Amino acid sequence: AQKVTQAQTEISVVEKEDVTLDCVYETRDTTYYLFWYKQPPSGELVFLIRRNSFDEQNEISGRYSWNFQKSTSSFNFTITASQVVDSAVYFCALSVKGTYKYIFGTGTRLKVLA
Amino acid sequence: DSGVTQTPKHLITATGQRVTLRCSPRSGDLSVYWYQQSLDQGLQFLIQYYNGEERAKGNILERFSAQQFPDLHSELNLSSLELGDSALYFCASEGQETQYFGPGTRLLVL
Repeated sequence: AQKVTQAQTEISVVEKEDVTLDCVYETRDTTYYLFWYKQPPSGELVFLIRRNSFDEQNEISGRYSWNFQKSTSSFNFTITASQVVDSAVYFCALSVKGTYKYIFGTGTRLKVLA
Repeated sequence: DSGVTQTPKHLITATGQRVTLRCSPRSGDLSVYWYQQSLDQGLQFLIQYYNGEERAKGNILERFSAQQFPDLHSELNLSSLELGDSALYFCASEGQETQYFGPGTRLLVL
């Protein structure tokens, strides 16, 4: 069975601090996809990234970066120099290739204080 | 604006009733996904359609059904509603390996 764990329920940081959101996943399949989504206070869901299990290269997009480590089954998300607009709930998800099903973590609420 | 539309935005109904939620994907996207977000269950994948065909089922109750029409819009039908069905229902379409979400339909069952 697949599982995604986001152990951090809520994190508070002061603006301009760096913050890392943890995501640990479980699957016995070798081909899968990992995702991060953002849900700001307004409620909409925003897709951030999709990562293939065969691609362990770190990804950077502006202030966002993702660290995928198969050895620890983790796909962590770092926000550099956080801003108030980064305040949101962030979800990590897993999908095994070919199943088209998504398993979500419980989310981490990030509060960035001015 | 993601390009994905959902109607209605809000829906209030009573237990035992049936409702239909509608989703129109982005122009050109063939996939539609449905998700449920509730306080109890968190964010859950319900079902996916691709070009009119059901492709994957997640934690979708038997009281719920969905379909995707030839024009690619999709409807999620929820019947015999219970209090626990109160939730935010999102749909999403997928294009170029990116998912685009609609604004959601907030369902309140009283």
